[in-house]
Amino acid sequence: EPEVTQTPSHQVTQMGQEVILRCVPISNHLYFYWYRQILGQKVEFLVSFYNNEISEKSEIFDDQFSVERPDGSNFTLKIRSTKLEDSAMYFCASRGFNQPQHFGDGTRLSIL
Amino acid sequence: EDKVVQSPLSLVVHEGDTVTLNCSYEVTNFRSLLWYKQEKKAPTFLFMLTSSGIEKKSGRLSSILDKKELFSILNITATQTGDSAVYLCAVEAKFDSNYQLIWGAGTKLIIKP
Repeated sequence: EPEVTQTPSHQVTQMGQEVILRCVPISNHLYFYWYRQILGQKVEFLVSFYNNEISEKSEIFDDQFSVERPDGSNFTLKIRSTKLEDSAMYFCASRGFNQPQHFGDGTRLSIL
Repeated sequence: EDKVVQSPLSLVVHEGDTVTLNCSYEVTNFRSLLWYKQEKKAPTFLFMLTSSGIEKKSGRLSSILDKKELFSILNITATQTGDSAVYLCAVEAKFDSNYQLIWGAGTKLIIKP
């Protein structure tokens, strides 16, 4: 069964550094999402992406965040200057038209 | 403000018991309600519900939606230790031209042997 894959599974970074989290959505999906989940808290929506542009973003998704679909398969989340409070599990999801979202296994981001 | 509320927050039962997990919502522009199971990593899709009163089943799991009373339940019969997980309810709502998931806090289910 096709899966959403995310790399790396764990990223440790110094505060202030840039990080790029990578996702390969399911190949025929058209809608892409990033979520984060701080340890012990709810899943929070960050951003949705369709037709090569952001279609919706939350208040969390400020100027430090950006997303890209640089080629036909990858979907990346960049955090420009990381803060301690960015430490969380970051999930990528994708879906087809009128289909449920399917999630990757996540990247655990630890900011030191 | 849109919200999704799950209850109970945690539940401990013995293997073989039946459990019912609840999800209520207040969401404008409702499109669908989804149930996910989260173990150590990613939420795994269970059910997508769009119509009231139609039960969806998958093995020992079943779910139903009531759009008038704005809630859904997830039933698990003959529970097994492998059912231990956090069960997440999310409501898909329309914002402008896109759809967004609004998540509940989850129900942590522990099945004791």
